[in-house]
Amino acid sequence: DAKTTQPTSMDCAEGRAANLPCNHSTISGNEYVYWYRQIHSQGPQYIIHGLKNNETNEMASLIITEDRKSSTLILPHATLRDTAVYYCIVRVVDSGAGSYQLTFGKGTKLSVIP
Amino acid sequence: GAGVSQSPRYKVAKRGQDVALRCDPISGHVSLFWYQQALGQGPEFLTYFQNEAQLDKSGLPSDRFFAERPEGSVSTLKIQRTQQEDSAVYLCASSLGVAAETRTGELFFGEGSRLTVL
Repeated sequence: DAKTTQPTSMDCAEGRAANLPCNHSTISGNEYVYWYRQIHSQGPQYIIHGLKNNETNEMASLIITEDRKSSTLILPHATLRDTAVYYCIVRVVDSGAGSYQLTFGKGTKLSVIP
Repeated sequence: GAGVSQSPRYKVAKRGQDVALRCDPISGHVSLFWYQQALGQGPEFLTYFQNEAQLDKSGLPSDRFFAERPEGSVSTLKIQRTQQEDSAVYLCASSLGVAAETRTGELFFGEGSRLTVL
């Protein structure tokens, strides 16, 4: 799986949009971009994933550049409960047998400030 | 509850002791993963099951680590002769299955078992 690069930490004011960048310049055509987050003392939680189109769900939006070499996770109105480590992961997904494990990096520690 | 359940939540072991960590995945989930998370690091993959078959154990750090899922549901991660470097949070995750992951991409994680080896 391709590697990702994320800033170590970011701050965001409560109520403002949090924009978390991720570089994945070696991504392959069959690799998806996934975002997970991990709140302190909890297991990681799925946020969103996409292949090449922008995606939106109730938690966040995912913007993937046209060349797919980078993406941005957007939390539109950050709350204190969004303080967590955010992981950007690229991963092959197919229907054949094999492992579908996620390869986590160190992620971005997002601190939402009152 | 309906989520992934892990036990014990906390385990303190003396160096050299054997430990067993249990994972109850979400009912009906075909895929099950074990991860190890050291302090300040991201989770690292240990092993993967599809039903009762262990399809990938490439992440197990040594032959002291052993995982099983004999009936395709509950899984146990066993660590023999624990060492201080085994101190970590051990996370279990499950997902519906191979085909379903292309739709949701979602792995459901438990809260982990924190192992401290003295």
